Amino acid sequence: DAGVIQSPRHEVTEMGQEVTLRCKPISGHNSLFWYRQTMMRGLELLIYFNNNVPIDDSGMPEDRFSAKMPNASFSTLKIQPSEPRDSAVYFCASSLQDTAQETQYFGPGTRLLVL
Amino acid sequence: GQSLEQPSEVTAVEGAIVQINCTYQTSGFYGLSWYQQHDGGAPTFLSYNALDGLEETGRFSSFLSRSDSYGYLLLQELQMKDSASYFCAGGSSNTGKLIFGQGTTLQVKP
Repeated sequence: DAGVIQSPRHEVTEMGQEVTLRCKPISGHNSLFWYRQTMMRGLELLIYFNNNVPIDDSGMPEDRFSAKMPNASFSTLKIQPSEPRDSAVYFCASSLQDTAQETQYFGPGTRLLVL
Repeated sequence: GQSLEQPSEVTAVEGAIVQINCTYQTSGFYGLSWYQQHDGGAPTFLSYNALDGLEETGRFSSFLSRSDSYGYLLLQELQMKDSASYFCAGGSSNTGKLIFGQGTTLQVKP
């Protein structure tokens, strides 16, 4: 398998612009996670889906952030409008099931810089 | 609330043994995971402990004591390639929702 695929790998945008991050989980995995990583806040879970349904979005910072999973092989994380404080590395991860012992497989991440 | 505490940095020499500690506070507990992340890379899974005791995987071992709310990752026969950040992560429910510690940066010196 190709692993978790994320695009774009790098994104530079200006404040106020819309940003869309994309993720393709490993085939057959039922759970998908979106994380944000910064030096200050570490690795934070933003939202996760199980069987394409959002289960927990308590980590989504504010209404500017939204995530969708229209099917088992695709998810998006959108930021509208973007702000400089959104600059971070955004990781998507997937796992076979929504249980604590399941390994989460991370994608390579999207490095976002908002100017 | 839930939190996991780890030292921010650890330094060791090649060939040595190093232990990275993790203490946690959770309202519930469903196991402790460890992930490795090389600079510029993605986190990768190392181990998971659901019960007390030691789990060994090659040069890496992970230990858990639920009564002490404590765990550690033990790296033996350190190699230069082990220089990375190591994260402990836990969940308060039997779901995939993990809270990550702030990470420990391990520097292995020749």
